[in-house]
Amino acid sequence: DTGVSQNPRHKITKRGQNVTFRCDPISEHNRLYWYRQTLGQGPEFLTYFQNEAQLEKSRLLSDRFSAERPKGSFSTLEIQRTEQGDSAMYLCASSFDGYEQYFGPGTRLTVT
Amino acid sequence: DQQVKQNSPSLSVQEGRISILNCDYTNSMFDYFLWYKKYPAEGPTFLISISSIKDKNEDGRFTVFLNKSAKHLSLHIVPSQPGDSAVYFCAASARGGSEKLVFGKGTKLTVNP
Repeated sequence: DTGVSQNPRHKITKRGQNVTFRCDPISEHNRLYWYRQTLGQGPEFLTYFQNEAQLEKSRLLSDRFSAERPKGSFSTLEIQRTEQGDSAMYLCASSFDGYEQYFGPGTRLTVT
Repeated sequence: DQQVKQNSPSLSVQEGRISILNCDYTNSMFDYFLWYKKYPAEGPTFLISISSIKDKNEDGRFTVFLNKSAKHLSLHIVPSQPGDSAVYFCAASARGGSEKLVFGKGTKLTVNP
């Protein structure tokens, strides 16, 4: 399977802890995107990379959130000092040309 | 301000009939539109897309229609199959400015055998 992969699939953490998620895009894709989805809503854009450059960040991405894509391959999304409002599905997508974006299975975060 | 709206939270159709899912948008800068299907506990799966220079795009049982003057698009599934039961999301992007996708809230399609 050469699709987008995300790890872990599920994460339960206590409020105030830091968490990090990983996304491995489709190998030939140079663009990588992070979205967040909460119950009853569509995915909301967080940030995206072209190769290793972070080109756009949403206002949803507070100072507690940071994303990296070293060497333009996999990406990590870190949330520091988690809050209950951070509980959501975090989705990663990749694209070759910026048109169709292909999503991974997501990481479900629960903050207790 | 929701820029992409899917006003029907749910739709139920009989197997073999046509399913029509609708989507409206408000941002006139949007020029690329996509439909995704999502099963529970999975990420969205890309179905079909359309550029604003077209008014129709077909791929097998799926056809997307775009009416730019009305800022409206629709997804037709013919014939509908029970395996099509899922949540369908409409998404849009303004390719000239950003690659981010703006999603609607989704429509849950149920295809009854």
